[in-house]
Amino acid sequence: DTEVTQTPKHLVMGMTNKKSLKCEQHMGHRAMYWYKQKAKKPPELMFVYSYEKLSINESVPSRFSPECPNSSLLNLHLHALQPEDSALYLCASSQAPYTGELFFGEGSRLTVL
Amino acid sequence: SQQGEEDPQALSIQEGENATMNCSYKTSINNLQWYRQNSGRGLVHLILIRSNEREKHSGRLRVTLDTSKKSSSLLITASRAADTASYFCATPEGNTPLVFGKGTRLSVIA
Repeated sequence: DTEVTQTPKHLVMGMTNKKSLKCEQHMGHRAMYWYKQKAKKPPELMFVYSYEKLSINESVPSRFSPECPNSSLLNLHLHALQPEDSALYLCASSQAPYTGELFFGEGSRLTVL
Repeated sequence: SQQGEEDPQALSIQEGENATMNCSYKTSINNLQWYRQNSGRGLVHLILIRSNEREKHSGRLRVTLDTSKKSSSLLITASRAADTASYFCATPEGNTPLVFGKGTRLSVIA
């Protein structure tokens, strides 16, 4: 199984809503990542979990809250988002932190109204 | 911060032609990776080349690395319409995960 599964594929939310993005991998990878990608731009790193601990937070606003319940799951909790937060949110994993190939999910397309 | 910078930003070719994309980076690296992204989809890893390697092949892909010039190139031979995608180079930056370049948007016209 070499897949990273992200749900939902599409999400529309208002600025007062609370929602979550989910990511799952069963490859035994010990590092998981959240990237944000705007149209025609490269992915930008948001968070890294290494061995289930938050190791990198790239100065992301607190309205984004990551959570790693176990080594296979990664969540991104969303609250009080702004329209400019609309983007494709990509989850990725790697066998070891910061090295080697990243395996990406198909992304969650978020629209904030 | 951004490490890799691809060139050209956009490339349009006919099916069957070769496509070459270049990537320049700023700091020392231990590896450089290339990824493909179809429109609105996730990224797919294509190839990883280590700093002590100069060339690597995978199917129709050929990647070169010149550490003295801090540059890499990705060559796709005999392109197909299905190769239409954005291509990103990415390098670990210091002790941090991959930082992606701006990407090259490749269009292969049938």
